[in-house]
Amino acid sequence: GQNIDQPTEMTATEGAIVQINCTYQTSGFNGLFWYQQHAGEAPTFLSYNVLDGLEEKGRFSSFLSRSKGYSYLLLKELQMKDSASYLCAVRDSSSNSGYALNFGKGTSLLVTP
Amino acid sequence: EPEVTQTPSHQVTQMGQEVILRCVPISNHLYFYWYRQILGQKVEFLVSFYNNEISEKSEIFDDQFSVERPDGSNFTLKIRSTKLEDSAMYFCASSEAGELFFGEGSRLTVL
Repeated sequence: GQNIDQPTEMTATEGAIVQINCTYQTSGFNGLFWYQQHAGEAPTFLSYNVLDGLEEKGRFSSFLSRSKGYSYLLLKELQMKDSASYLCAVRDSSSNSGYALNFGKGTSLLVTP
Repeated sequence: EPEVTQTPSHQVTQMGQEVILRCVPISNHLYFYWYRQILGQKVEFLVSFYNNEISEKSEIFDDQFSVERPDGSNFTLKIRSTKLEDSAMYFCASSEAGELFFGEGSRLTVL
C-alpha cells in the first residue's frame, strides 16, 4: 500500500515563492506526479519526477528524493490564479500494468494580495 | 488539443437506482481509469482498464460497480443500486502510460 502526506493548507502572498512538500511511503516506486485542481474542476497535470533531482517548467518546479521518500512543488512569482489545491500522486511499480496513480489529500493554497 | 469528455456533467438519482456514466478517452490512449472524489475529500482510485479488461481495481470497486468499453470510443462506469454515499464527482482519465489526463467529471447526487 501507499501513504502520502502533504500539508492541508498553505497561504502565500502574490509575487512570492511557495514550497509544497509531499512525503510518501510505497512498496515500489515508479514515479511521482503533481496535479493542480481548482475547486469543482478536474485535476490538471503539472509535473512528473521519476529520478532524483529538480524538474523545472516555467514558474513551477518539482523535486524528488527517492531515498527520503520526499518531493516538493515550488511555485514562483505567485499569481492569484494559483489559488487551488495541489495534489501529490505516486505511481506504484507493483501495479499490474495499470499505471494508476494514488493521490494524497491535496494542499489547498490560498494566494493573497 | 485532445481531451477526455464525460457525460452527463451532473446526474441526480434516487437511492437504489442504476446509473451509467460515460467517457470518451483521448483517441490514441491505451489506459483508461475511473476515479471518484467525495466533496472535500481526496481523489480516490476506482479502476484501471487496459486491453479490454480491468488491470487494477481498488477496494472501493466492489460488485456494485462495473466498467465496459462497448465500442472503440466509449468507456462507461455502471453503478448498480446506488447508495447515498455514492454521491461524488466521478472522473474519467486516460493515458499513454505517462501522466493521466482527466475529464471534467460527472457529479452524481443520490437522494
